[in-house]
Amino acid sequence: AQSVAQPEDQVNVAEGNPLTVKCTYSVSGNPYLFWYVQYPNRGLQFLLKYITGDNLVKGSYGFEAEFNKSQTSFHLKKPSALVSDSALYFCAVRGNNAGNMLTFGGGTRLMVKP
Amino acid sequence: GAVVSQHPSRVICKSGTSVKIECRSLDFQATTMFWYRQFPKQSLMLMATSNEGSKATYEQGVEKDKFLINHASLTLSTLTVTSAHPEDSSFYICSARAAHGTGELFFGEGSRLTVL
Repeated sequence: AQSVAQPEDQVNVAEGNPLTVKCTYSVSGNPYLFWYVQYPNRGLQFLLKYITGDNLVKGSYGFEAEFNKSQTSFHLKKPSALVSDSALYFCAVRGNNAGNMLTFGGGTRLMVKP
Repeated sequence: GAVVSQHPSRVICKSGTSVKIECRSLDFQATTMFWYRQFPKQSLMLMATSNEGSKATYEQGVEKDKFLINHASLTLSTLTVTSAHPEDSSFYICSARAAHGTGELFFGEGSRLTVL
């Protein structure tokens, strides 16, 4: 069975500082990894994905994530946080079989303070 | 990017009534759509997988007679909450997987159901 762990319920960071939201996963075979962001009372918005290729993936709004196979991690990062980045972030994984479901982590609330 | 439209975004109903939520893929064909439920401050819980032209596959613990799912076309899936009760109040989100590509999911904006 595949699983995703986001060990932090909440991450607090000051505006302008770098941010990291952690994600580790477990899946059979090669992983497809995703990050989504959710603003209050909204659906999920796609940020970025790793399928294959470079381990460092760049996505929307200046976010990036690094795939680390040995540590089975896919941490989300941004060099300089904005107050508007405050939201709920979900990491998700699926195996490379087309029929595999997407499994979500529990979510991490990012709070960026001015 | 691909767009998934979910309607209504908010609905309030009386206990015992039924509510239908629509999920449409606007610019792509979705052979598979997923319905999730999200409780406050929690992650998404997959309720069911909807395949066009066939019966939905429900996750363990989800009552199929309570949450009716229909996927009549490649661009539309509906979730009907039958005989709604206050405990059904939640945020429901659909997603659609394009027929081609890497299997990325595109999400609707969600529907907040409040049952009085």
